[in-house]
Parts: sequence; structure tokens; C-alpha cells
Amino acid sequence: EVQLVESGGGLVQPGRSLKLSCVASGFTFNNYWMTWIRQAPGKGLEWVASITNTGGSTYYPDSVKGRFTISRDNAKSTLYLQMNSLRSEDTATYYCTRDGGIPTDWGQGVMVTVSS
Amino acid sequence: DIQMTQSPASLSASLGETVSIECLASEDIYNNLAWYQQKPGKSPQLLIYYASSLQDGVPSRFSGSGSGTQYSLKINSLESEDAATYFCLQDSEYPWTFGGGTKLELK
Repeated sequence: EVQLVESGGGLVQPGRSLKLSCVASGFTFNNYWMTWIRQAPGKGLEWVASITNTGGSTYYPDSVKGRFTISRDNAKSTLYLQMNSLRSEDTATYYCTRDGGIPTDWGQGVMVTVSS
Repeated sequence: DIQMTQSPASLSASLGETVSIECLASEDIYNNLAWYQQKPGKSPQLLIYYASSLQDGVPSRFSGSGSGTQYSLKINSLESEDAATYFCLQDSEYPWTFGGGTKLELK
């Protein structure tokens, strides 16, 4: 059974940093691209970042490019999202997803609140 | 960026009815469209990928269709467990973009 468990969320002040982690199990981690998707409270879904199975390439929307960094440690079956220069509009639940071309499996999500 | 316009924003239907949800892309997305179901407090679940392929384990009352810029999700014989919010996603090109969602309420 595929399991994706996110951690690292919490309350952070604007301009500060936070790093999310996602531990994967139940599949061969280094065979899959991975993606972060977020959802602001009561709002829709927004793609945040994707990474190839080797970690050799990464992709971001303009809204987070230059502030967020997706990375992975295949030896630890762990996906990361380093978030810098956080803004109030980054407040959301962040989901770790396994990509089978598209997000097929989702973690339970971790809440990030950016507020002073 | 490709814009995804989803309609309706909300929908109320009775058990046993059939409903359809539409997504209109701002340009051709070549069937690179997925549908997700999200229940309150839960993560989204994949229903349909590549416009019309049913994800393993998803009931056959869910179906997807469309091409080019117009796509739809159809739910036959509504059951109580179908009450949820539904989202479309285009993965034709980055940035991936989602529709705004359709909240389905069962009468």
C-alpha cells in the first residue's frame, strides 16, 4: 500500500523559512516523479513543484519560483520542500503526491500558516 | 498558462440521478485531463486520467469524456458517498492548472 506522510508544517512569520518532508513507503520511490500540491483554506488546488525520479530536474510555477525548492533523498525515500521568503498567500495545506504521469496518490497533507 | 474553467461551481442532485461536470481549457490539452474527488477534510482521490481512463478501484458509474478544449465528468446513479467536491487538472504542460471545483450536494 502506498503511503505518503508529510511533516514539518506549522505557524511561521512572513519572510521566514520552513522545510516540509514527505516519507514514502509501499513503492519503489526512485522510480517515480513526485509533486507538491497545495490548497488554501476553503479554496481550490494549486500545483507547487515537481521533481523527476532522479532529482535531476525540477519544475515550479511562477508563484513560488525562486522561493521554493523541491528535492529528494532516494536513499531515505523522502521528498522535501524548502520554502523561503514565505508570504501570507502561501498559507495552505501542502500535499505530497506520487506521480504516475499525474498525481495518483496523495498524502494526508500538512498545514502551513504564514502569519505574524 | 492554460486556464481551466470548471462548471457548475455547485450542484444539487438526488440519489439515483445522473450529473455532469464540465471543464473548459483555454487551449487544446490533447486529452491530458484528470478528475479528482475530494471529501471534506480528506485528500483528493484520482477518478479519471487521460480524459476517459478509469482509475483502478473507482466505481464504473464514473466516466470521463471529451477532447480538445472541452471535457466532462459524468456520474451515473448517484449514491450518498458521491457527495464531495470534484476538480479537473490539466497536465498537458507546466504549469499544471486545476479547475475551480464543483461541490456536489445530495438532496
